[in-house]
Amino acid sequence: SYVLTQPPSVSVAPGQTARITCGGNNIGSKSVHWYQQKPGQAPVLVVYDDSDRPSGIPERFSGSNSGNTATLTISRVEAGDEADYYCQVWDSSSDHQVFGGGTKLTVL
Amino acid sequence: QVQLVESGGGVVQPGRSLRLSCAASGFTFSSYGMHWVRQAPGKGLEWVAVISYDGSNKYYADSVKGRFTISRDNSKNTLYLQMNSLRAEDTAVYYCAKGRWFQDVWGKGTTVTVSS
Repeated sequence: SYVLTQPPSVSVAPGQTARITCGGNNIGSKSVHWYQQKPGQAPVLVVYDDSDRPSGIPERFSGSNSGNTATLTISRVEAGDEADYYCQVWDSSSDHQVFGGGTKLTVL
Repeated sequence: QVQLVESGGGVVQPGRSLRLSCAASGFTFSSYGMHWVRQAPGKGLEWVAVISYDGSNKYYADSVKGRFTISRDNSKNTLYLQMNSLRAEDTAVYYCAKGRWFQDVWGKGTTVTVSS
């Protein structure tokens, strides 16, 4: 089955840029979606189709996808961005939705 | 506003059954695929199952295939998850979520605890 690999944690100072990676075999050929989840809350979609933002999501959130790595980039990080972030794809070969293991973003 | 509200969670003994429901409002339920996603305590998100907008296609995670059944009633704007032969490892918060390829609306979740 298809596997998505994320770093367990990323730390960044306020105002800096956070980059969270999501690795998968030829992931560049798939559409990647990203979710933010704060403690005790349901996930929130922050990027879909590699780089599109739902309405209401700040422009500071952006995404890219190429080769074997997709990346969620959060510019000008704020304390309120501290959360777990998950990447997700649909694996058409197995008809399964797949989530990455999640990355905890800590704002120092 | 667009809303999903899960219900039906609780404490159940191993081997027993439980049915979860998800009431949808604020959008045309019958036009969207729907998912169940779960999250065990302290763990990440795990996809459980998806159903197409009209109920004609259903897919399941290997961990629940043959034990869980996803269904929907478009006349009632409700999604279901029938869970049979429950195991301790099924203990989790269960979320329903809207959208076939990515999920742009999530419910708050309902907690299922499998314990003797």
